Amino acid sequence: AQSVTQPDIHITVSEGASLELRCNYSYGATPYLFWYVQSPGQGLQLLLKYFSGDTLVQGIKGFEAEFKRSQSSFNLRKPSVHWSDAAEYFCAVDIMDSSYKLIFGSGTRLLVRP
Amino acid sequence: DSGVTQTPKHLITATGQRVTLRCSPRSGDLSVYWYQQSLDQGLQFLIQYYNGEERAKGNILERFSAQQFPDLHSELNLSSLELGDSALYFCASSVTGLDRSPLHFGNGTRLTVT
Repeated sequence: AQSVTQPDIHITVSEGASLELRCNYSYGATPYLFWYVQSPGQGLQLLLKYFSGDTLVQGIKGFEAEFKRSQSSFNLRKPSVHWSDAAEYFCAVDIMDSSYKLIFGSGTRLLVRP
Repeated sequence: DSGVTQTPKHLITATGQRVTLRCSPRSGDLSVYWYQQSLDQGLQFLIQYYNGEERAKGNILERFSAQQFPDLHSELNLSSLELGDSALYFCASSVTGLDRSPLHFGNGTRLTVT
């Protein structure tokens, strides 16, 4: 069955430090992968997506993610974290049965130390 | 602002009651998705509608139902509410739901069942 795993429930980094959030997927076909961010009291905002082509994709707010087929991973990175990046981050894969829909990971909550 | 509007923002009700959550999709989007976000289950896909027709069903309980109206807004009806139904309910929309265009999420309705 298709699934998305985010192994880290919480991650704490210092402001200015680099960040990597892990995501592993299980999907038989070529996956379409997404990262969304949820700030407190807000809905989910799309950070970036991978459909095909270049395995390093750039997103909004200085985020990037790298698709590694051999590792079934799609990790999110940012070189220098800002306090405003504190939020919950969700990795998702879209699957096609009767239509396309997103299957989400359990999320990683990012805390930023001043 | 994603352009997806959900009302109400908060809802507090008692066990056994029935509530209706409303969603207006982004202008031009024909497909509406409902997701439930709870602490123990994470983000779970409930149901999808496309242009008034049910397109896909996920982990939606029989006590829950939804519909999409001719003006494309959607309602999620939750009945015989239980404490475990307390969650954040998100609506998302996309252009068709038949391609891989990203989902745009509303800010959610927080349901508290007491």
